[in-house]
Amino acid sequence: GAGVSQTPSNKVTEKGKYVELRCDPISGHTALYWYRQSLGQGPEFLIYFQGTGAADDSGLPNDRFFAVRPEGSVSTLKIQRTERGDSAVYLCASSLIGGANTEAFFGQGTRLTVV
Amino acid sequence: SQQGEEDPQALSIQEGENATMNCSYKTSINNLQWYRQNSGRGLVHLILIRSNEREKHSGRLRVTLDTSKKSSSLLITASRAADTASYFCATVPDSNYQLIWGAGTKLIIKP
Repeated sequence: GAGVSQTPSNKVTEKGKYVELRCDPISGHTALYWYRQSLGQGPEFLIYFQGTGAADDSGLPNDRFFAVRPEGSVSTLKIQRTERGDSAVYLCASSLIGGANTEAFFGQGTRLTVV
Repeated sequence: SQQGEEDPQALSIQEGENATMNCSYKTSINNLQWYRQNSGRGLVHLILIRSNEREKHSGRLRVTLDTSKKSSSLLITASRAADTASYFCATVPDSNYQLIWGAGTKLIIKP
């Protein structure tokens, strides 16, 4: 597609529920990143995929968070037993090859609200 | 964790004036990038400056990098109302690929 697409754009869920957030990267981009951004803060790194594998998942806050990219394209961020503190904008980005000097293209994000 | 700190946190100027935002960081870097964000959603890449570069231009944007002071500045010349947004610096540490972000500068351009 023309850009990184994230769905849904907004998600309201009850505390304790399970949610899935989807990211469609730019076609051909091998690197994919998930970030989380709280109000008034900069994005916080969650996980980085190179192809199908998670090259670095050190930013995932705990084992309630999990992400997959089974075919090296679309990625899904999964949050179990959601808590109010999980409320944030979840941003996905992709880049052509990954690595230090490549520009990342961001989606519009999914605003998650846990009530 | 956040590495960069933008200064000021908020900036309000008249249209036509120049806007300068600063960013400081803590560790050695491979490169530093500036992004723009409207309404707390998608981030748009503005410019990337490598650690061996000192200055870079793109249209009305000028970015400087001083690795000895671990700081960078973003200058927007002849500002326009449409430049109103939050601006973030993000660093890529040596031997890494993550973008590590500051908290951003909220820029308001008054018509």
